[in-house]
Amino acid sequence: GENVEQHPSTLSVQEGDSAVIKCTYSDSASNYFPWYKQELGKGPQLIIDIRSNVGEKKDQRIAVTLNKTAKHFSLHITETQPEDSAVYFCAASRKTGSARQLTFGSGTQLTVLP
Amino acid sequence: NAGVTQTPKFRILKIGQSMTLQCTQDMNHNYMYWYRQDPGMGLKLIYYSVGAGITDKGEVPNGYNVSRSTTEDFPLRLELAAPSQTSVYFCASSYEQGSYEQYFGPGTRLTVT
Repeated sequence: GENVEQHPSTLSVQEGDSAVIKCTYSDSASNYFPWYKQELGKGPQLIIDIRSNVGEKKDQRIAVTLNKTAKHFSLHITETQPEDSAVYFCAASRKTGSARQLTFGSGTQLTVLP
Repeated sequence: NAGVTQTPKFRILKIGQSMTLQCTQDMNHNYMYWYRQDPGMGLKLIYYSVGAGITDKGEVPNGYNVSRSTTEDFPLRLELAAPSQTSVYFCASSYEQGSYEQYFGPGTRLTVT
């Protein structure tokens, strides 16, 4: 099955700096890669996603890049703000049978220091 | 829209007890999922459903059962609770047409002692 590795497990940055989180996946058939943000005591919420036919996607201060050959993808947050502090999860998926199953990385605790 | 709602928020069970975690969504999504999240780990898929009357196992189904009698509801049943089932449980739903986004509920924190 799919295996997703995520690094680093914790990341502290100064407000205004950039943050980068990296993930690798094992199943070359995976074709959808979402990133979720989880605030304390809440369920994960999708912040950005990318499909395998695209190399990069950007949404304001957040961008995701995908390298299919190397099987890795990254989340980039620029001009970080204290409200960006949360746990971030990457995931990879492909459609198996009738459903699309997500395999999650182990998460990155991002702390933005004021 | 309330989105995905889960009850209860917290529960403590004794070993061997059983309980049902409730999940309801009001977005008319056909796909629904149950995940568990252990401390410091990512989410692991327990069961999923692609529509009323259709369920299938995920990565970690042992010790759990599900049913899907309506589009809105997808309860998760724990029989003979064990300490290894101490976790936070999340229900999610998605439409799977166009966007693949899964919408998550707020979670149920379960402790088995």
